[in-house]
Amino acid sequence: GAGVSQTPSNKVTEKGKYVELRCDPISGHTALYWYRQSLGQGPEFLIYFQGTGAADDSGLPNDRFFAVRPEGSVSTLKIQRTERGDSAVYLCASSERQGMNTEAFFGQGTRLTVV
Amino acid sequence: AQKVTQAQTEISVVEKEDVTLDCVYETRDTTYYLFWYKQPPSGELVFLIRRNSFDEQNEISGRYSWNFQKSTSSFNFTITASQVVDSAVYFCALSGMNTGFQKLVFGTGTRLLVSP
Repeated sequence: GAGVSQTPSNKVTEKGKYVELRCDPISGHTALYWYRQSLGQGPEFLIYFQGTGAADDSGLPNDRFFAVRPEGSVSTLKIQRTERGDSAVYLCASSERQGMNTEAFFGQGTRLTVV
Repeated sequence: AQKVTQAQTEISVVEKEDVTLDCVYETRDTTYYLFWYKQPPSGELVFLIRRNSFDEQNEISGRYSWNFQKSTSSFNFTITASQVVDSAVYFCALSGMNTGFQKLVFGTGTRLLVSP
């Protein structure tokens, strides 16, 4: 596709369940980023991949959050034992080169609601 | 620490009015980048501009213009002759050398409502 694709667009889950959120970056983009946006706030950095490796995961809030990018393209953000406080829009972005000083393109996000 | 402040939570204007969105930042980096993104109701963040800390030249792109002033740590965004399609949430953001250019620190956003 032409842009960053995120699936599902909406996810409702029960507290304590496991969820996976998928991000398909723009073809050829080596850098991939995950951000989380709570209601009324700006996005907050979670994790950054350069190729297959997580180059910076300092934004992950705790060990219930994990992300992978096994082939250097699609990435999956995984949340275990979800809590109501995890409810937010999860945004993915990709860029052609390393670093957000280059132009990064964002997807439309996955809205996660934990009930 | 890095911080971006967008003091205006919401601005309402009538079409064709000019509007300025304020952004004030804090950083200890000498090399950093400033950004503006637009977030329409669809939710996608749309890149508008990137400016590095060594380039204080103002920029104009169509109806959009940006005023970067290091002396006041501000990077303000002006829309001239606003249109209904400009209605969105606008975010100012910062990335710096010490915390890593891979991270953007965003402000809380300014919601712009342009009525016909």
